[in-house]
Amino acid sequence: TQLLEQSPQFLSIQEGENLTVYCNSSSVFSSLQWYRQEPGEGPVLLVTVVTGGEVKKLKRLTFQFGDARKDSSLHITAAQPGDTGLYLCAGPNTNAGKSTFGDGTTLTVKP
Amino acid sequence: NAGVTQTPKFQVLKTGQSMTLQCAQDMNHEYMSWYRQDPGMGLRLIHYSVGAGITDQGEVPNGYNVSRSTTEDFPLRLLSAAPSQTSVYFCASSPRPGQGNQYFGPGTRLLVL
Repeated sequence: TQLLEQSPQFLSIQEGENLTVYCNSSSVFSSLQWYRQEPGEGPVLLVTVVTGGEVKKLKRLTFQFGDARKDSSLHITAAQPGDTGLYLCAGPNTNAGKSTFGDGTTLTVKP
Repeated sequence: NAGVTQTPKFQVLKTGQSMTLQCAQDMNHEYMSWYRQDPGMGLRLIHYSVGAGITDQGEVPNGYNVSRSTTEDFPLRLLSAAPSQTSVYFCASSPRPGQGNQYFGPGTRLLVL
């Protein structure tokens, strides 16, 4: 079974601070996805990373895939209250056609 | 495109009642799945389908049935509702099995009394 562990579970910061959340596994994934979920809504796909060592930027969000494709990180620069939400990482179990999700990091950015 | 739609948005059931949660997608995606989300437990896979006519069990399939007679629709049936099935249910779809990128519906909030 491929498991994904996310840390920290909860994060509360002030507007303007930087933060990093982590997604780790002992298994190799062909790709990893990051989603953001706002209260009362479904998760929304932010990015997919595919290549080991890959870095993708989405405005103030920077996503990195580990060289061994077992871990990923999400770094937010100058966080804003609109960044508040649940951040989930996920990876496909290619043999079974389904995906594994981490338990998520709940981020609160205070104005 | 409407994407992934789910009905109803909210539902209250009594223990022992049955119901069907509807899910439809208009993106011609092969892969569809159902998750439940409970506080502190993330998303848990109930059932999934890699194409019309094909379904398989996820992590927590007990008490739920699915069918996939068309590419577009993937209903989830609760056979005899129990309080432990109180949760938020999300349907998702992906262009191809194993691709990873999933598009989620808005969710159905279910309360079983």
